[in-house]
Amino acid sequence: GQQLNQSPQSMFIQEGEDVSMNCTSSSIFNTWLWYKQDPGEGPVLLIALYKAGELTSNGRLTAQFGITRKDSFLNISASIPSDVGIYFCAGRNSGGSNYKLTFGKGTLLTVNP
Amino acid sequence: SQTIHQWPATLVQPVGSPLSLECTVEGTSNPNLYWYRQAAGRGLQLLFYSVGIGQISSEVPQNLSASRPQDRQFILSSKKLLLSDSGFYLCAWTRGADTQYFGPGTRLTVL
Repeated sequence: GQQLNQSPQSMFIQEGEDVSMNCTSSSIFNTWLWYKQDPGEGPVLLIALYKAGELTSNGRLTAQFGITRKDSFLNISASIPSDVGIYFCAGRNSGGSNYKLTFGKGTLLTVNP
Repeated sequence: SQTIHQWPATLVQPVGSPLSLECTVEGTSNPNLYWYRQAAGRGLQLLFYSVGIGQISSEVPQNLSASRPQDRQFILSSKKLLLSDSGFYLCAWTRGADTQYFGPGTRLTVL
């Protein structure tokens, strides 16, 4: 089956630092999504990407749809304590069943004030 | 706007007892509906999805089942819970191939 490799698995940073995480796929995706999950809650959509090369921002967050369509990146600038959580990437491929997403295993972000 | 509800929020059940978790979506029609389980290891495991009433696709063989008795209602069930069924259960919905949105989740502990 399809696999998404998300890295890093965890990050420990100081408040104010920038953060970068990425996902790579073994197959081509036509949609990339980035979610954030706070403890005990459901994942919340941060950014959706629909076109290769697309660069989209949401406040301090910026995500890019890789030109090869097999990867995506999420950057967080000037991190703050409330950025703590698990960040998931997810992709939907361009063939077969279009109903399912493939998820990365998540990046656990800890921000030290 | 669309909203998704799950209940209960938390549940503690003994091994061998039955289970019924409910998910409902408001503000949309004919959604695709999904059940995921999230274990302590953080990954999201797709259990079931449904593209319409009475249509259920199972992703992982297990002692769980799903049903969709109404357009915007999705139920996760078990006749006899196992210890390994403990986890965080998430319901999600989409309209076709659109973006997927998650509910608040149900924390299930099987003792």
